[in-house]
Amino acid sequence: AQKVTQAQTEISVVEKEDVTLDCVYETRDTTYYLFWYKQPPSGELVFLIRRNSFDEQNEISGRYSWNFQKSTSSFNFTITASQVVDSAVYFCALSEAGRGKLIFGQGTELSVKP
Amino acid sequence: ETGVTQTPRHLVMGMTNKKSLKCEQHLGHNAMYWYKQSAKKPLELMFVYSLEERVENNSVPSRFSPECPNSSHLFLHLHTLQPEDSALYLCASSQESGKTSLLYNEQFFGPGTRLTVL
Repeated sequence: AQKVTQAQTEISVVEKEDVTLDCVYETRDTTYYLFWYKQPPSGELVFLIRRNSFDEQNEISGRYSWNFQKSTSSFNFTITASQVVDSAVYFCALSEAGRGKLIFGQGTELSVKP
Repeated sequence: ETGVTQTPRHLVMGMTNKKSLKCEQHLGHNAMYWYKQSAKKPLELMFVYSLEERVENNSVPSRFSPECPNSSHLFLHLHTLQPEDSALYLCASSQESGKTSLLYNEQFFGPGTRLTVL
């Protein structure tokens, strides 16, 4: 069955610390897409990244980086030198090709304190 | 207006009321979605519309009735709701390749409607 697990419900760090948000997924399909979204206190989800199942290259975008490992079914997200503005709930999501379903994890609430 | 807008932002209704949530996207996208976000539960995809046609209904009770009159507008009609339906209802849109390749691409979300059912 399709499932996304974000085991960390809440994380609290001090500004400038690095922090990794974990995401583990389950799928029977060989073709699928993984996403990360950020939900700041304002409520709107903001897209961060999409990765398809055939592309295992890690990606870096400024202070953000993602580590996709099919062998462990994980798609982890690291924020380097965290800032207060990074405080938000972060969601990992899985879309299986052609099934018309998008499953979100429970979300990880990140609090970055000054 | 830019992006995805939703009205109203807050709604309080009794269980016997009928109300509607409105979503409008100004991005020229061809797919729109309704999500429910409850406390302590993951985001749940409720309805998927592609080219104004409902493609997916993820086992949502009939007291929720969606309507997509054109590619820019999406409504969620509510009637005889229950207190457990209280949640944040989010609308999103995306540009997809077609009805057989949905939910592949980045979605743009609105700010949501905070619904309270008394």
